[in-house]
Amino acid sequence: AQSVTQLDSQVPVFEEAPVELRCNYSSSVSVYLFWYVQYPNQGLQLLLKYLSGSTLVKGINGFEAEFNKSQTSFHLRKPSVHISDTAEYFCAVSFYNTDKLIFGTGTRLQVFP
Amino acid sequence: DTEVTQTPKHLVMGMTNKKSLKCEQHMGHRAMYWYKQKAKKPPELMFVYSYEKLSINESVPSRFSPECPNSSLLNLHLHALQPEDSALYLCASSHGQGSGGYTFGSGTRLTVV
Repeated sequence: AQSVTQLDSQVPVFEEAPVELRCNYSSSVSVYLFWYVQYPNQGLQLLLKYLSGSTLVKGINGFEAEFNKSQTSFHLRKPSVHISDTAEYFCAVSFYNTDKLIFGTGTRLQVFP
Repeated sequence: DTEVTQTPKHLVMGMTNKKSLKCEQHMGHRAMYWYKQKAKKPPELMFVYSYEKLSINESVPSRFSPECPNSSLLNLHLHALQPEDSALYLCASSHGQGSGGYTFGSGTRLTVV
């Protein structure tokens, strides 16, 4: 079955600390991977995406993610977070030759001063 | 134009009303999507249109009726909704089959009273 999993529902972290948000997927075909951020009462904003090529992907707002095919993971990282990074983060996967984009359950990143 | 525009931003409707949500994109994307997002949950796929034809219906109740008048427009017609249908409705578009990512609108916040 094709699925995407975000094991951490909440990640609390202090400002200027590093953070990693985990994402794992399950698929028998090639995948395309995305991270979206959602601020309260807003829509989804694309942080970064992996379609092919270099497995280390850099996105907006200082975020990056690494595609690891052997571990079927696409973890999101930031070396130093800001209060303004407090939001919900969704990992999403689409599967080769389909129009479907499915989302993980989301991780709430809470940055404390 | 790199945006997906959704109108209205907010909608309150009674259970006997008929209303429509509208979505527009001018990026030449061939696939358009409706998602439903309840509070503190990930977006759930409802419908996918590919080349103006309905390609995916995720077993959505018939009180939700999608329509794609042309390649730039996507509507969602609402009739006889229930209070549990209150949610954020997101529209998205893409080149299709995971080929470049998905662009989301800011959503319509629907409240059914």
